[in-house]
Amino acid sequence: DIQMTQSPSSLSASVGDRVTITCRASQSISSYLNWYQQKPGKAPKLLIYAASSLQSGVPSRFSGSGSGTDFTLTISSLQPEDFATYYCQQSYSIPSFGGGTKVEIK
Amino acid sequence: QVQLVQSGAEVKKPGASVKVSCKASGYTFTSYYIHWVRQAPGQGLEWMGIINPSGGTTSYAQKFQDRVTMTRDTSTSTVYMELSSLRSEDTAVYYCARCNVRDGYNYEDYWGQGTLVTVSS
Repeated sequence: DIQMTQSPSSLSASVGDRVTITCRASQSISSYLNWYQQKPGKAPKLLIYAASSLQSGVPSRFSGSGSGTDFTLTISSLQPEDFATYYCQQSYSIPSFGGGTKVEIK
Repeated sequence: QVQLVQSGAEVKKPGASVKVSCKASGYTFTSYYIHWVRQAPGQGLEWMGIINPSGGTTSYAQKFQDRVTMTRDTSTSTVYMELSSLRSEDTAVYYCARCNVRDGYNYEDYWGQGTLVTVSS
């Protein structure tokens, strides 16, 4: 099975900051990488699919990049509603998720 | 609009089984696979398996292979996830999610609201 490792596991940031979250796969997954946002008590929400494609309705401050084993999710200017936990997921083979990155208010 | 509506919270004793439903609406039920994902309290997301509502074929995570059964009822556009031999570690929120495919890439674009299953004696 493919293991997904996210870093950091948590971070503190201020409104307006640029935030970057990384995700590493245990083997090459091409661009079969999705990013989800989850707020407390809510279901995950798709942000990015195929490593860099923005899901319809998602603000353009979210972007994704990478291929092979290393990927990043960037929030260009953090907004109050972006404080949440973010998960990467590989869909190259049997799906698996990263451990999550909690973005907290500084 | 696309909606996945799940059944309500359950409390079960160890060793029992639970069956969670997920009713789809707003799209052609048989055109999209459905995933099941669970999340233990304070933990991350764990993929359990997938069902093709068209033919009913399934694929399960090895961890749940001998305890999980996913089925569907096309007459009501509903998929079901049954987990048997419950133990305390199965206490979690269980989600269904629709699998979409674009340019060969698949992703979960719509999720149910989640069903809390509590296993306690």
